[in-house]
Amino acid sequence: SQTIHQWPATLVQPVGSPLSLECTVEGTSNPNLYWYRQAAGRGLQLLFYSVGIGQISSEVPQNLSASRPQDRQFILSSKKLLLSDSGFYLCASWGQVSGEQYFGPGTRLTVT
Amino acid sequence: KNQVEQSPQSLIILEGKNCTLQCNYTVSPFSNLRWYKQDTGRGPVSLTIMTFSENTKSNGRYTATLDADTKQSSLHITASQLSDSASYICVVANSGYALNFGKGTSLLVTP
Repeated sequence: SQTIHQWPATLVQPVGSPLSLECTVEGTSNPNLYWYRQAAGRGLQLLFYSVGIGQISSEVPQNLSASRPQDRQFILSSKKLLLSDSGFYLCASWGQVSGEQYFGPGTRLTVT
Repeated sequence: KNQVEQSPQSLIILEGKNCTLQCNYTVSPFSNLRWYKQDTGRGPVSLTIMTFSENTKSNGRYTATLDADTKQSSLHITASQLSDSASYICVVANSGYALNFGKGTSLLVTP
């Protein structure tokens, strides 16, 4: 099975500051990778997905961006954080044999 | 519009009791339906995944059912334990990338 690592686990950042969240995957190669956000009291929202190095698809227009510099590395970034960016960010990979999605432990982001 | 509705929004039960969570969806075309358990502050963990042809699937004390005709699914938890306290999320897929998430049911199991 796959293992997904995310860091940092928690982050408190002021409005207007930059953001970089990192996700790495073990146990598979050429995975489909996803970034989700979970706001308080709301469901999971797909932000970006990637089917390969350098290939990023955005699901929701916003001030966030994603990059995939390596096969098993997925990065979520922002140049200037907004208060509305606060939430729980989850990285996920796709088990193409099992059809399962494997989620990382998440990063709790608080923008102050 | 593809939607996934879960009920109840929250539920409190006594340890040892059974409970059933509901999921109704309007996702089309349907590919599969998953139930996830999410502990507070953690990523979701898959419980079951069912395709169109599957009516029921069990994972220990968790049993999921699917009625593709009425577009309804349920998750039944038997002999609940304190560790079952979590959010349970229903996810319906209509393609490899398009997953539609419910908002979840928050379950609290009390002693």
